[in-house]
Amino acid sequence: AQKITQTQPGMFVQEKEAVTLDCTYDTSDPSYGLFWYKQPSSGEMIFLIYQGSYDQQNATEGRYSLNFQKARKSANLVISASQLGDSAMYFCAMRPDSGGYQKVTFGTGTKLQVIP
Amino acid sequence: KAGVTQTPRYLIKTRGQQVTLSCSPISGHRSVSWYQQTPGQGLQFLFEYFSETQRNKGNFPGRFSGRQFSNSRSEMNVSTLELGDSALYLCASSAGTGLGKETQYFGPGTRLLVL
Repeated sequence: AQKITQTQPGMFVQEKEAVTLDCTYDTSDPSYGLFWYKQPSSGEMIFLIYQGSYDQQNATEGRYSLNFQKARKSANLVISASQLGDSAMYFCAMRPDSGGYQKVTFGTGTKLQVIP
Repeated sequence: KAGVTQTPRYLIKTRGQQVTLSCSPISGHRSVSWYQQTPGQGLQFLFEYFSETQRNKGNFPGRFSGRQFSNSRSEMNVSTLELGDSALYLCASSAGTGLGKETQYFGPGTRLLVL
């Protein structure tokens, strides 16, 4: 079974500063995908970034980057130059490759608040 | 390309009633997954449909059911509503390969309130 742990229920960051949201995962599958989603108060889950377990480089998408440490089973999201619009819940998720069509497992989320 | 659409966006029902929620995936996507999100339980997986077949199922009672049509549109039904069914129901669409790299794209959700 897969498990995602997000240990930070809530975080504050000053506008224009960088922030790291932690995510650790547990799986016995050698191949898997890791995802981060943003959920504003409106409710819609917005896909941010993807990292494959065999990717050699850390994924980046604009101001989002993923600090992937496979040996530690961590996939932390880094948001650079925080903006007020970044205030939202952030979810880490994983889907393994093996064993057929496996479901996506989500963490409990981190609530990020950006302070002006 | 149009995103995932869910209808209705908001719904108020009373205990004992039943409800049907609808989800239209992104064009070309063949997999639809449903999630229930509540403040207490977080995001919980309900089920996944691919090519009109349920491919995965979460730990929910039989009151929760779903189906998928030939055009990949999906509906979920909750019968005999309970107060605890009040939640945000999210639908996610993906290509359907089931591979780890496959990204799910979510709709805006349906907020269900059971009185």
